[in-house]
Amino acid sequence: AQKVTQAQTEISVVEKEDVTLDCVYETRDTTYYLFWYKQPPSGELVFLIRRNSFDEQNEISGRYSWNFQKSTSSFNFTITASQVVDSAVYFCALVQGGKLIFGQGTELSVKP
Amino acid sequence: GAVVSQHPSWVICKSGTSVKIECRSLDFQATTMFWYRQFPKQSLMLMATSNEGSKATYEQGVEKDKFLINHASLTLSTLTVTSAHPEDSSFYICSAPWTGPPGELFFGEGSRLTVL
Repeated sequence: AQKVTQAQTEISVVEKEDVTLDCVYETRDTTYYLFWYKQPPSGELVFLIRRNSFDEQNEISGRYSWNFQKSTSSFNFTITASQVVDSAVYFCALVQGGKLIFGQGTELSVKP
Repeated sequence: GAVVSQHPSWVICKSGTSVKIECRSLDFQATTMFWYRQFPKQSLMLMATSNEGSKATYEQGVEKDKFLINHASLTLSTLTVTSAHPEDSSFYICSAPWTGPPGELFFGEGSRLTVL
């Protein structure tokens, strides 16, 4: 079975702190894709990143960075110098048969 | 860029009525669309896969007669919640895959249904 686990239900930090959101996945596929989405209070899903299983390079985009470790089946997401606007629910997801399977989500609250 | 539009954004209805939610791909064709449901403080759960020209494929535990899906054209899929009850109150989100990399999905804005 394919599964995505985000063990952290809620995280609260103070502005400018760094924060890491964990994601662990299970799949029997040798080729797969992982995603991170942001869901602000308004509800729409905002695409953040897609990673395929062949590319283990870490990626950095501004204050966001991702650490993909196939050996531990993890795809963690770090926000550096967090801001209040980063407050949202973040979902990690895995593609299965063209469909996205989402983790439980981590609610990040960044306080001023 | 490619956009998926969903309508209505929110709807309030009385118990026992039916509600239709539309999902449109605005500048690309989608032979497949996905419908997700999200209860408060929970994750997105796939309900069904909508297929243009054929029957939808429902996930285990989703009532086909309750959630009617019609993929009328290459740009439109509709979800009808029939005889809605308060437990159907939820956030419904559609998505459509683009012809880009595998798994790339575009999501609609979501429709918040409240059944009184």
